[in-house]
Amino acid sequence: GENVEQHPSTLSVQEGDSAVIKCTYSDSASNYFPWYKQELGKRPQLIIDIRSNVGEKKDQRIAVTLNKTAKHFSLHITETQPEDSAVYFCAASKNANKLVFGAGTILRVKS
Amino acid sequence: DGGITQSPKYLFRKEGQNVTLSCEQNLNHDAMYWYRQDPGQGLRLIYYSQIVNDFQKGDIAEGYSVSREKKESFPLTVTSAQKNPTAFYLCASGQHSGNTIYFGEGSWLTVV
Repeated sequence: GENVEQHPSTLSVQEGDSAVIKCTYSDSASNYFPWYKQELGKRPQLIIDIRSNVGEKKDQRIAVTLNKTAKHFSLHITETQPEDSAVYFCAASKNANKLVFGAGTILRVKS
Repeated sequence: DGGITQSPKYLFRKEGQNVTLSCEQNLNHDAMYWYRQDPGQGLRLIYYSQIVNDFQKGDIAEGYSVSREKKESFPLTVTSAQKNPTAFYLCASGQHSGNTIYFGEGSWLTVV
């Protein structure tokens, strides 16, 4: 089945710097790649997603890139702010809705 | 997101006891899911259901059971066979025709 690896497991950046989190997936048939943000003790919230027919997608300070050939996708956060501090999860799916998640990245933005 | 309700938010289970976590959604979503999250870990799929009266095992179904008698409801029972049930349980739902899923607020289960 699908396997998703996420790196790094923790990431500390200075406020205003950029943060990049990378994920690789194993199943070339996967076609949907969402990113979720989870604050401590709360539910994961969808922040951005990308489908396999698109190489890049942006939403204000957040962007996701997808390299289907290499089977990896990345989350880019620019101009980081303290409220960006959270755990970020990537996921992949080839069947409608059955997502496989990465292990998560703890992002700390230092002010 | 606000249309998925989980209860209770906190639950304590004694050894050998079965407990049931409730999940209700009013989003008219076809598919519903249960994930387990251990501290500092990712989300692992327990069970999922794409239509009423049908459900499939996920990656860690042993010691759990579910039912899907109504479209809006997908309760999860943690049985005594689950030896390490202490975790954060997340219910989610999504349209069958799409990929995006949305999570409920979660339920914390602790064994005492």
